[in-house]
Amino acid sequence: SQQGEEDPQALSIQEGENATMNCSYKTSINNLQWYRQNSGRGLVHLILIRSNEREKHSGRLRVTLDTSKKSSSLLITASRAADTASYFCATAPLGSARQLTFGSGTQLTVLP
Amino acid sequence: NAGVTQTPKFRVLKTGQSMTLLCAQDMNHEYMYWYRQDPGMGLRLIHYSVGEGTTAKGEVPDGYNVSRLKKQNFLLGLESAAPSQTSVYFCASSPMTSGRAWNTGELFFGEGSRLTVL
Repeated sequence: SQQGEEDPQALSIQEGENATMNCSYKTSINNLQWYRQNSGRGLVHLILIRSNEREKHSGRLRVTLDTSKKSSSLLITASRAADTASYFCATAPLGSARQLTFGSGTQLTVLP
Repeated sequence: NAGVTQTPKFRVLKTGQSMTLLCAQDMNHEYMYWYRQDPGMGLRLIHYSVGEGTTAKGEVPDGYNVSRLKKQNFLLGLESAAPSQTSVYFCASSPMTSGRAWNTGELFFGEGSRLTVL
């Protein structure tokens, strides 16, 4: 079963706009991670946020985590055409040592 | 610096045939994983390994076997391929994390192996 579920499944925006993707999960976690996948390629790690953190930044990326609601969001500011990709959240559940459970992803299209 | 390398990248099998996917990592990572990716379902964990000589089942292990005889290699085998195993397979590795033993860190992925079973 999928631990994380992303919303929306697909998102299309204009270059320069901000993109927000959401992730909900079911069980308590150790950390939550976001990955990016370009078409036909492997996944690339973007950012990791621990369960005791509420917000984290990396360049144009901002991730928030609300453990009370079991949800996270990924914000990409000032998007570029090169940001077009699928974005996945992945959770490291408590008690499931060294495993990550992935959601089904959000397909982001940034139009030039 | 190759990172995680998967071979082969593409393969077509007939139902009932067997094959092995090879994953090699040159980062001296302790943990290695095999996932499959199907449309609309994200990635699902097949098997994983927390060290040389050890393997464990993931979410969808049936029909697959794995071996980790060397720290840098993780092999995924299909003994009798079925059309339901048509998928893209991803290998990933992860370093041992400091601090709490149960903390799962960043995964480094290969480029994938696309398998079609006819």
